[in-house]
Amino acid sequence: GDSVTQTEGQVTVSESKSLIINCTYSATSIGYPNLFWYVRYPGEGLQLLLKVITAGQKGSSRGFEATYNKEATSFHLQKASVQESDSAVYYCALGMATGGNNKLTFGQGTVLSVIP
Amino acid sequence: AQTIHQWPVAEIKAVGSPLSLGCTIKGKSSPNLYWYWQATGGTLQQLFYSITVGQVESVVQLNLSASRPKDDQFILSTEKLLLSHSGFYLCAWSQDWGGAEQFFGPGTRLTVL
Repeated sequence: GDSVTQTEGQVTVSESKSLIINCTYSATSIGYPNLFWYVRYPGEGLQLLLKVITAGQKGSSRGFEATYNKEATSFHLQKASVQESDSAVYYCALGMATGGNNKLTFGQGTVLSVIP
Repeated sequence: AQTIHQWPVAEIKAVGSPLSLGCTIKGKSSPNLYWYWQATGGTLQQLFYSITVGQVESVVQLNLSASRPKDDQFILSTEKLLLSHSGFYLCAWSQDWGGAEQFFGPGTRLTVL
């Protein structure tokens, strides 16, 4: 089946430094995968951060960027300068529409802690 | 604007007892609905999906069932809880099924003792 791998379970970064959270995927289902980053801030629900539906395209939101790299099967999340308010859990997800189901397959999540 | 509400916020239940979790979506007609589950330390995984009232498909077999009695309501239930049912349950909706993004509710934390 489809799978998503986030290699870092926890990342600690100092404020104003750059960030990269790695995400690779394997799409075995027939179709065209969409890629998403979701975020859960402390005390809040899971919310969409950004999405990309076309290979080669880049999505961006709140200073975060991610490029859909079909050749490398990657969708890494990057930010040039993090803020303390970015501390949260980030989930990479693969979306596939198969057999009437719009299924999201999630990575295990990366806890980001930004040190002031 | 669409809102999604889940109830209860948290539950502590005994092994073997019944369970019913609910989800309501307001402001969106005929949404696709989903249940996801995350065990403690585990990954979010889809359990059920529904594209219309009265029709629910199972994705993962965990001795749970789901129903969609109304267009805006999705229910997750079981007659007998297992310890392995503990975790965080999320309801979600999407505009359609073509790989569209899903919007999640606040979740229900279930502890089975």
